[in-house]
Amino acid sequence: EAGVAQSPRYKIIEKRQSVAFWCNPISGHATLYWYQQILGQGPKLLIQFQNNGVVDDSQLPKDRFSAERLKGVDSTLKIQPAKLEDSAVYLCASSSRGPKTYEQYFGPGTRLTVT
Amino acid sequence: AQSVTQLGSHVSVSEGALVLLRCNYSSSVPPYLFWYVQYPNQGLQLLLKYTSAATLVKGINGFEAEFKKSETSFHLTKPSAHMSDAAEYFCAVSALTSTPLVFGKGTRLSVIA
Repeated sequence: EAGVAQSPRYKIIEKRQSVAFWCNPISGHATLYWYQQILGQGPKLLIQFQNNGVVDDSQLPKDRFSAERLKGVDSTLKIQPAKLEDSAVYLCASSSRGPKTYEQYFGPGTRLTVT
Repeated sequence: AQSVTQLGSHVSVSEGALVLLRCNYSSSVPPYLFWYVQYPNQGLQLLLKYTSAATLVKGINGFEAEFKKSETSFHLTKPSAHMSDAAEYFCAVSALTSTPLVFGKGTRLSVIA
């Protein structure tokens, strides 16, 4: 079974530029999460999708961040315009609807550096 | 609301020594508890989980953790450290299935030869 795929793995941009990250969850997983992991901290939820609907985006800075999950499969997270404090690793995770819905599987992450 | 406190941002042990990484949680409902490991430039890998069954949970790579409700703790242990155990370890809590994980700040484990 293929794992959670993310791209790109690394991205360097200047502040005020825009950037987009892509995530492909494990096949059949209905729930998709985006987490932000700042250096030296644990991951923090940005947004949770159930199929193509948003379940929780209370911690998403909506003035600059946006996310979508078209057709309930792939997801894209966008930042526009980026700030220095957005430098972090962006992790995508997915979970299934079966007996182990509490298990989240993580992708390798996208490391964003904003200069 | 849930929260996790990991005591010690950095733990250093000798190869072959006991590994003990501490995690205390706060939850208003019976929690699900997890330990994840993160190697450099990689994503998070699930080590073990507590989901209200047995309080002593065994995971991969020889790790285990014990859920102690009275102490609100879920400490991670391994009897004998190996060089390959050097990594960042995160404790996490969630309230229900399909809900986001709330992570601690992590503990970096170093293993000295």
